[in-house]
Amino acid sequence: GAVVSQHPSWVICKSGTSVKIECRSLDFQATTMFWYRQFPKQSLMLMATSNEGSKATYEQGVEKDKFLINHASLTLSTLTVTSAHPEDSSFYICSARAATGVADTQYFGPGTRLTVL
Amino acid sequence: GENVEQHPSTLSVQEGDSAVIKCTYSDSASNYFPWYKQELGKGPQLIIDIRSNVGEKKDQRIAVTLNKTAKHFSLHITETQPEDSAVYFCAAKGAGTALIFGKGTTLSVSS
Repeated sequence: GAVVSQHPSWVICKSGTSVKIECRSLDFQATTMFWYRQFPKQSLMLMATSNEGSKATYEQGVEKDKFLINHASLTLSTLTVTSAHPEDSSFYICSARAATGVADTQYFGPGTRLTVL
Repeated sequence: GENVEQHPSTLSVQEGDSAVIKCTYSDSASNYFPWYKQELGKGPQLIIDIRSNVGEKKDQRIAVTLNKTAKHFSLHITETQPEDSAVYFCAAKGAGTALIFGKGTTLSVSS
């Protein structure tokens, strides 16, 4: 149980294009989903927190117009990197927190490696 | 906000030895402390967690201890195996907030 999937697992795009990453909780409903960014050999940096049906809350320094987050249902959140540039290349990881049961527990997806040329 | 410090950054042990990773946190309101294992190119996997009303929790070869007064918690892995080699992250969470992670510990278990 408690499986979170991400799609795609990796993506290569040209500078200036937009990329959408999907995060799904497969066997539970997630009231809250989180998006993290991880550079090589570094820790996870929280980008934003999203609750189903409401606007995402972005961490300081994260451009909300560049990293669009939509949490349309209890099982799906999307992150769109708009007008991507090489400095946006990173490992993006989502996590989901269950609506019921042990509410604190966050389950992570396998991550999406974005490379912007 | 919460700040989590994790030590050591790298840890090398022989197979069968024990490994201990320590973390401290700053926010006394934090009440949930999970540990994650991350293998190369993969997302973090929850391996054990502890809440503020418990001092110790064990799951087979893995245990976590929490000292709320000192605001620190530790991960203990006994009888280490090569497949335990990975990056381990501690994290802390206060009420209504997201997890804040430590910088990670790269554990290498040599056979």
